[in-house]
Amino acid sequence: DVKVTQSSRYLVKRTGEKVFLECVQDMDHENMFWYRQDPGLGLRLIYFSYDVKMKEKGDIPEGYSVSREKKERFSLILESASTNQTSMYLCASSSPGTVKNTEAFFGQGTRLTVV
Amino acid sequence: AQTVTQSQPEMSVQEAETVTLSCTYDTSENNYYLFWYKQPPSRQMILVIRQEAYKQQNATENRFSVNFQKAAKSFSLKISDSQLGDTAMYFCAFMGTSGTYKYIFGTGTRLKVLA
Repeated sequence: DVKVTQSSRYLVKRTGEKVFLECVQDMDHENMFWYRQDPGLGLRLIYFSYDVKMKEKGDIPEGYSVSREKKERFSLILESASTNQTSMYLCASSSPGTVKNTEAFFGQGTRLTVV
Repeated sequence: AQTVTQSQPEMSVQEAETVTLSCTYDTSENNYYLFWYKQPPSRQMILVIRQEAYKQQNATENRFSVNFQKAAKSFSLKISDSQLGDTAMYFCAFMGTSGTYKYIFGTGTRLKVLA
Protein backbone atom coordinates (compact mmCIF):
# COMPACT_ATOMS: atom_id res chain seq x y z
CA ASP A 1 0.00 0.00 0.00
CA VAL A 2 1.11 3.52 -0.77
CA LYS A 3 1.84 5.45 2.34
CA VAL A 4 2.03 9.22 2.58
CA THR A 5 3.07 10.39 6.02
CA GLN A 6 2.85 13.90 7.35
CA SER A 7 5.09 14.68 10.28
CA SER A 8 2.44 16.16 12.56
CA ARG A 9 -1.28 15.75 12.97
CA TYR A 10 -1.70 18.92 15.02
CA LEU A 11 0.55 21.96 15.32
CA VAL A 12 0.24 25.21 17.23
CA LYS A 13 2.64 27.99 16.28
CA ARG A 14 3.04 31.65 17.11
CA THR A 15 2.65 34.51 14.66
CA GLY A 16 5.94 35.26 12.95
CA GLU A 17 7.46 31.82 13.51
CA LYS A 18 9.00 29.87 10.65
CA VAL A 19 7.03 26.64 10.27
CA PHE A 20 8.03 23.44 8.50
CA LEU A 21 5.49 20.81 7.46
CA GLU A 22 7.08 17.59 6.32
CA CYS A 23 5.67 14.93 4.03
CA VAL A 24 7.21 11.60 3.06
CA GLN A 25 5.92 9.03 0.55
CA ASP A 26 7.20 5.50 0.12
CA MET A 27 6.12 4.63 -3.43
CA ASP A 28 8.73 6.42 -5.53
CA HIS A 29 6.11 8.82 -6.89
CA GLU A 30 7.33 11.62 -9.13
CA ASN A 31 4.65 14.14 -8.23
CA MET A 32 3.99 15.59 -4.81
CA PHE A 33 1.51 18.26 -3.78
CA TRP A 34 0.60 20.54 -0.89
CA TYR A 35 -3.03 21.56 -0.52
CA ARG A 36 -4.77 23.76 1.96
CA GLN A 37 -8.30 22.77 3.03
CA ASP A 38 -10.73 25.34 4.41
CA PRO A 39 -14.50 25.00 4.98
CA GLY A 40 -16.46 26.06 1.94
CA LEU A 41 -13.32 26.45 -0.16
CA GLY A 42 -12.40 22.82 -0.70
CA LEU A 43 -8.79 21.90 -1.43
CA ARG A 44 -6.64 24.63 -2.91
CA LEU A 45 -3.25 23.87 -4.39
CA ILE A 46 -0.34 25.72 -2.78
CA TYR A 47 2.65 24.17 -4.57
CA PHE A 48 3.50 21.00 -6.38
CA SER A 49 6.67 19.26 -7.45
CA TYR A 50 7.13 16.95 -10.41
CA ASP A 51 10.75 15.99 -9.73
CA VAL A 52 13.54 16.50 -7.25
CA LYS A 53 14.36 20.20 -6.91
CA MET A 54 11.54 21.05 -9.36
CA LYS A 55 8.51 22.95 -8.18
CA GLU A 56 5.64 24.98 -9.52
CA LYS A 57 3.32 27.44 -7.85
CA GLY A 58 -0.26 26.44 -7.40
CA ASP A 59 -3.23 28.72 -6.92
CA ILE A 60 -2.32 30.20 -3.51
CA PRO A 61 1.50 30.23 -3.11
CA GLU A 62 1.78 33.58 -1.31
CA GLY A 63 3.37 33.22 2.12
CA TYR A 64 4.61 29.70 1.42
CA SER A 65 7.67 28.04 -0.04
CA VAL A 66 8.60 24.41 -0.62
CA SER A 67 11.63 22.19 -0.74
CA ARG A 68 12.19 18.86 -2.44
CA GLU A 69 15.76 17.70 -1.97
CA LYS A 70 14.91 13.98 -2.14
CA LYS A 71 12.27 12.26 -4.22
CA GLU A 72 10.38 10.89 -1.24
CA ARG A 73 10.22 14.10 0.80
CA PHE A 74 8.34 17.33 0.14
CA SER A 75 8.40 20.12 2.71
CA LEU A 76 6.09 23.09 3.01
CA ILE A 77 7.55 26.17 4.67
CA LEU A 78 5.67 29.07 6.15
CA GLU A 79 8.34 31.77 6.22
CA SER A 80 6.55 33.91 8.82
CA ALA A 81 3.36 32.33 10.05
CA SER A 82 0.26 34.49 10.21
CA THR A 83 -3.16 33.84 11.70
CA ASN A 84 -4.75 33.61 8.24
CA GLN A 85 -2.61 30.54 7.61
CA THR A 86 -4.51 28.64 10.29
CA SER A 87 -5.88 25.73 8.28
CA MET A 88 -5.72 22.04 7.43
CA TYR A 89 -2.78 21.14 5.22
CA LEU A 90 -2.85 18.02 3.08
CA CYS A 91 0.08 16.43 1.29
CA ALA A 92 -0.44 14.12 -1.66
CA SER A 93 1.64 12.14 -4.12
CA SER A 94 1.00 10.52 -7.47
CA SER A 95 2.65 8.77 -10.37
CA PRO A 96 0.40 9.66 -13.28
CA GLY A 97 2.54 8.06 -15.94
CA THR A 98 1.02 4.68 -15.18
CA VAL A 99 -2.55 4.13 -16.34
CA LYS A 100 -3.48 2.13 -13.27
CA ASN A 101 -2.30 4.65 -10.73
CA THR A 102 -3.68 7.97 -11.83
CA GLU A 103 -5.09 8.91 -8.47
CA ALA A 104 -3.44 11.02 -5.80
CA PHE A 105 -2.64 9.42 -2.46
CA PHE A 106 -3.02 11.60 0.60
CA GLY A 107 -1.46 11.96 4.01
CA GLN A 108 -3.60 12.23 7.12
CA GLY A 109 -3.42 16.02 7.21
CA THR A 110 -1.87 18.55 9.57
CA ARG A 111 -4.18 20.92 11.38
CA LEU A 112 -2.12 24.06 11.94
CA THR A 113 -3.21 26.77 14.33
CA VAL A 114 -1.32 30.07 14.34
CA VAL A 115 -1.88 32.14 17.47
CA ALA B 1 -7.93 27.07 -16.53
CA GLN B 2 -9.83 24.08 -15.31
CA THR B 3 -12.51 24.46 -12.66
CA VAL B 4 -14.58 21.99 -10.67
CA THR B 5 -17.93 22.96 -9.18
CA GLN B 6 -19.92 21.15 -6.51
CA SER B 7 -23.15 23.02 -5.94
CA GLN B 8 -24.46 21.02 -2.96
CA PRO B 9 -22.63 22.00 0.24
CA GLU B 10 -24.63 19.56 2.37
CA MET B 11 -26.91 16.60 1.79
CA SER B 12 -28.55 13.96 3.90
CA VAL B 13 -30.01 10.57 3.09
CA GLN B 14 -31.74 7.84 5.02
CA GLU B 15 -29.86 4.62 5.57
CA ALA B 16 -30.44 2.12 2.73
CA GLU B 17 -31.64 4.86 0.38
CA THR B 18 -29.91 6.19 -2.73
CA VAL B 19 -28.30 9.61 -3.04
CA THR B 20 -26.68 11.46 -5.93
CA LEU B 21 -23.95 14.06 -5.53
CA SER B 22 -23.42 16.53 -8.37
CA CYS B 23 -20.22 17.78 -9.96
CA THR B 24 -19.57 19.87 -13.04
CA TYR B 25 -16.23 20.87 -14.49
CA ASP B 26 -14.79 23.05 -17.16
CA THR B 27 -11.84 22.20 -19.38
CA SER B 28 -10.64 22.52 -22.93
CA GLU B 29 -8.73 19.24 -22.76
CA ASN B 30 -10.03 16.13 -24.46
CA ASN B 31 -8.20 13.58 -22.36
CA TYR B 32 -8.46 13.70 -18.59
CA TYR B 33 -9.44 11.81 -15.45
CA LEU B 34 -12.17 12.51 -12.95
CA PHE B 35 -12.30 11.27 -9.37
CA TRP B 36 -14.52 11.18 -6.36
CA TYR B 37 -12.76 11.22 -3.00
CA LYS B 38 -14.24 10.58 0.43
CA GLN B 39 -12.97 12.29 3.57
CA PRO B 40 -14.47 10.79 6.74
CA PRO B 41 -14.11 12.45 10.16
CA SER B 42 -10.72 10.73 10.49
CA ARG B 43 -9.57 13.17 7.74
CA GLN B 44 -7.91 10.49 5.61
CA MET B 45 -8.81 11.12 1.97
CA ILE B 46 -9.82 7.91 0.23
CA LEU B 47 -10.42 7.36 -3.46
CA VAL B 48 -13.99 6.25 -4.10
CA ILE B 49 -14.10 5.97 -7.87
CA ARG B 50 -12.24 7.06 -10.99
CA GLN B 51 -13.41 7.78 -14.55
CA GLU B 52 -11.26 8.09 -17.64
CA ALA B 53 -12.68 10.63 -20.08
CA TYR B 54 -11.99 8.55 -23.15
CA LYS B 55 -14.10 5.70 -21.77
CA GLN B 56 -17.79 6.12 -22.47
CA GLN B 57 -18.83 3.47 -19.98
CA ASN B 58 -19.64 4.80 -16.54
CA ALA B 59 -17.38 3.54 -13.76
CA THR B 60 -18.82 1.47 -10.91
CA GLU B 61 -17.35 0.27 -7.62
CA ASN B 62 -19.77 -1.85 -5.61
CA ARG B 63 -22.44 0.56 -4.28
CA PHE B 64 -20.82 3.56 -5.95
CA SER B 65 -21.38 4.53 -9.57
CA VAL B 66 -20.97 7.64 -11.68
CA ASN B 67 -22.99 9.30 -14.39
CA PHE B 68 -20.37 10.78 -16.71
CA GLN B 69 -21.71 13.15 -19.35
CA LYS B 70 -18.69 14.38 -21.29
CA ALA B 71 -20.49 16.83 -23.54
CA ALA B 72 -22.26 18.39 -20.58
CA LYS B 73 -19.06 18.23 -18.46
CA SER B 74 -20.97 16.60 -15.68
CA PHE B 75 -19.77 13.87 -13.32
CA SER B 76 -22.24 12.86 -10.61
CA LEU B 77 -21.75 10.18 -7.95
CA LYS B 78 -24.55 7.82 -7.01
CA ILE B 79 -24.40 5.97 -3.71
CA SER B 80 -26.82 3.08 -3.47
CA ASP B 81 -27.95 1.38 -0.26
CA SER B 82 -26.40 4.17 1.82
CA GLN B 83 -24.67 3.10 5.02
CA LEU B 84 -23.81 5.05 8.17
CA GLY B 85 -20.14 4.69 7.24
CA ASP B 86 -20.75 6.71 4.09
CA THR B 87 -21.10 9.84 6.25
CA ALA B 88 -18.22 12.04 5.07
CA MET B 89 -17.14 14.97 2.92
CA TYR B 90 -17.05 14.05 -0.75
CA PHE B 91 -14.79 15.86 -3.17
CA CYS B 92 -14.91 15.78 -6.94
CA ALA B 93 -11.52 16.18 -8.65
CA PHE B 94 -10.15 16.67 -12.16
CA MET B 95 -6.74 15.79 -13.54
CA GLY B 96 -5.70 16.82 -17.03
CA THR B 97 -3.14 14.91 -19.03
CA SER B 98 -1.66 17.61 -21.23
CA GLY B 99 0.33 19.45 -18.60
CA THR B 100 1.73 18.70 -15.18
CA TYR B 101 -0.94 16.24 -13.96
CA LYS B 102 -2.09 18.34 -11.07
CA TYR B 103 -5.45 17.76 -9.39
CA ILE B 104 -8.17 20.37 -9.21
CA PHE B 105 -10.78 19.85 -6.49
CA GLY B 106 -14.29 21.09 -5.94
CA THR B 107 -15.48 22.66 -2.70
CA GLY B 108 -16.96 19.43 -1.41
CA THR B 109 -20.35 18.05 -0.36
CA ARG B 110 -20.93 17.05 3.24
CA LEU B 111 -23.09 13.92 3.26
CA LYS B 112 -24.85 12.71 6.35
CA VAL B 113 -26.46 9.28 6.40
CA LEU B 114 -29.33 9.13 8.87
CA ALA B 115 -30.26 6.01 10.85
